[in-house]
Amino acid sequence: EVQLVESGGGLVQPGGSLRLSCAASGFTFSSSAMSWVRQAPGKGLEWVSGISGNGVNTFYGDSVKGRFTISRDNSKNTLYLQMISLRAEDTAVYYCAKRGRSGGYYFDYWGQGTLVTVSS
Amino acid sequence: QSALTQPASVSGSPGQSITISCTGTSSDVGSYNLVSWYQQHPGKAPKLILYEGSKRPSGVSNRFSGSKSGSTASLTISGLQAEDEADYYCCSYAGSSTVFGGGTKLTVL
Repeated sequence: EVQLVESGGGLVQPGGSLRLSCAASGFTFSSSAMSWVRQAPGKGLEWVSGISGNGVNTFYGDSVKGRFTISRDNSKNTLYLQMISLRAEDTAVYYCAKRGRSGGYYFDYWGQGTLVTVSS
Repeated sequence: QSALTQPASVSGSPGQSITISCTGTSSDVGSYNLVSWYQQHPGKAPKLILYEGSKRPSGVSNRFSGSKSGSTASLTISGLQAEDEADYYCCSYAGSSTVFGGGTKLTVL
C-alpha cells in the first residue's frame, strides 16, 4: 500500500524558515517523480515544486522560485521542501504527491498534508 | 503561469449528469493531452479521478468521464450521487510546470 506521510509543518514568523519532509513507502521511491502541492485555507490547489526520481531535475512555481528548494534522499525514501523567506501568503496545507507511473503527468497518490502557518 | 479557469460552482439532482469545464491556453491544456482531475472532500486530501484527459484509475466509477476540445477540458459526472458532492480540480502539464484550475464546488441537491 502506497503511503505518503508529511511532517515538519508549524507556526513560523514572516521571514523565517521551515523544512518539510515526506516519508514514502509502498512503491519504488527512487523511480518516482514527486511534487509538493499546497492549499491555502479555503482556497484551491497550487503546484509548488517537482523533482525527478533521481533528483537531478527540479522545477518550481513562480511564486516560490528562489525561496523554496525541493530535494530527496532515495536511501531514506524521503522527499523534502526547504522553505526560506516565508511570507504570510505561504500559509497553507502542504501536500506531498507522487507522479503517475512511468513519469505520468498526474498525481496518483497524496499524503494527508501538513499545515504551515506564517504569522507574527 | 495562470490558473486554469473553472466555474466556481455547479449543482445537480441525484441521477442527473453535470459537466465541469476547465479552460486553459495553448501553453497548457491546448498543447498536451495531459489533463487530470481530482476530487476533494472537506478536510481530505485530493483524489485522482481522471488522468490523461479521459483515463480512469482503478477503482474510480465509470460515472466519471473526461474530454477535451481545443484548450478546454471537461469532466462529466453521470448518475449523480450524494457522495459526489465535493470540490473538483483540473490540472494540466504546462512544459516545465504544472497548473491547477481554481476548483469547482459540486452541490448535489
